[in-house]
Amino acid sequence: DAGVIQSPRHEVTEMGQEVTLRCKPISGHNSLFWYRQTMMRGLELLIYFNNNVPIDDSGMPEDRFSAKMPNASFSTLKIQPSEPRDSAVYFCASRGLAGVGDTQYFGPGTRLTVL
Amino acid sequence: GESVGLHLPTLSVQEGDNSIINCAYSNSASDYFIWYKQESGKGPQFIIDIRSNMDKRQGQRVTVLLNKTVKHLSLQIAATQPGDSAVYFCAETIKAAGNKLTFGGGTRVLVKP
Repeated sequence: DAGVIQSPRHEVTEMGQEVTLRCKPISGHNSLFWYRQTMMRGLELLIYFNNNVPIDDSGMPEDRFSAKMPNASFSTLKIQPSEPRDSAVYFCASRGLAGVGDTQYFGPGTRLTVL
Repeated sequence: GESVGLHLPTLSVQEGDNSIINCAYSNSASDYFIWYKQESGKGPQFIIDIRSNMDKRQGQRVTVLLNKTVKHLSLQIAATQPGDSAVYFCAETIKAAGNKLTFGGGTRVLVKP
């Protein structure tokens, strides 16, 4: 299994531009999570999906952030317009079982720099 | 389980010695705990987990201890190796909150040869 796949691995953009981050979860997993990691705030959960349905987006910082999961094998996190304070590493994770407490497996992350 | 700021606590360990990494979690209702290892430039990697009905669980070279009375979790690494150098995070989750993990701030482990 290839594990969770994220693209791009690095993104440098200018303030005001739209940024789209992509994630392919592990095949057969039915929960998907988006996290943001910064030095100041550590790892923060932004949003998660069960069976392609957004369950909790309370961690999404602002309306500039949106996430979709059109099917079981693909999700996007979009920032529009981007701001320098959005610079961080964004991780996608997936989990196989719907029950509470099963392991989340993380992708390699996308390092976003907004100039 | 609250994240901390810029300064990560650091544990320096001599290669071959045992390491103990501690974590204080925030919610007494948490019923599942996970330790993750994060190497530079990579995503967090699952190490070991424990449910609240247990107080100890062992894996390969790692042991997790849970003390619910004082809301404390620890990770013990036996015979620490250079490849163990990384940042280690504990995470907790609450059954009533569904699948959300809350991560601690992390501890950096540096293994000295």
